[in-house]
Amino acid sequence: NAGVTQTPKFQVLKTGQSMTLQCAQDMNHEYMSWYRQDPGMGLRLIHYSVGAGITDQGEVPNGYNVSRSTTEDFPLRLLSAAPSQTSVYFCASTQWGVGETQYFGPGTRLLVL
Amino acid sequence: RKEVEQDPGPFNVPEGATVAFNCTYSNSASQSFFWYRQDCRKEPKLLMSVYSSGNEDGRFTAQLNRASQYISLLIRDSKLSDSATYLCVVYRYGGSQGNLIFGKGTKLSVKP
Repeated sequence: NAGVTQTPKFQVLKTGQSMTLQCAQDMNHEYMSWYRQDPGMGLRLIHYSVGAGITDQGEVPNGYNVSRSTTEDFPLRLLSAAPSQTSVYFCASTQWGVGETQYFGPGTRLLVL
Repeated sequence: RKEVEQDPGPFNVPEGATVAFNCTYSNSASQSFFWYRQDCRKEPKLLMSVYSSGNEDGRFTAQLNRASQYISLLIRDSKLSDSATYLCVVYRYGGSQGNLIFGKGTKLSVKP
């Protein structure tokens, strides 16, 4: 199993550009989530999904959209990038109700100029 | 007050030292507790779960005190490879932060 995969690993955007961060998992996990990690702030939840077709907002959802059309994929869309969105983004998945071990992807480092 | 708070660190210790990390949580409805490890520029990974009776995994011992809402992690005989950031994580149902609440982490640096 590949676990949780994320693409791209690195990205540089200009202010106002849009892009999609890809996330996929092959563990048939129902629960998937997106976090951002900034120095001194720890991990903050952006959006999460408890299954295909169901998404909800986390702590810092503004400026981001998600969708969950399949169990495997959970893309994160930046609608109009801002320098404040410069961060490291982690996607994670877990099997709902079977412990709460989160499996994280390797992360996407995003720089918005 | 943050829901999960950890020692600010960094902890700089020599090889072979014993080091302890502390963590407190504010929501008494918290149900499960974990320590995650995050290496520099990598993703967090589960180190161990924390049980009420305390649990040990090799050189690592985790303790939970529900009455005081306190979690600890003890690392004995520190190795260079233990250098990382250790995240205290609490599970409780519901809320905009999601079910898993992460502390900001404590950085450990083990020196030769």
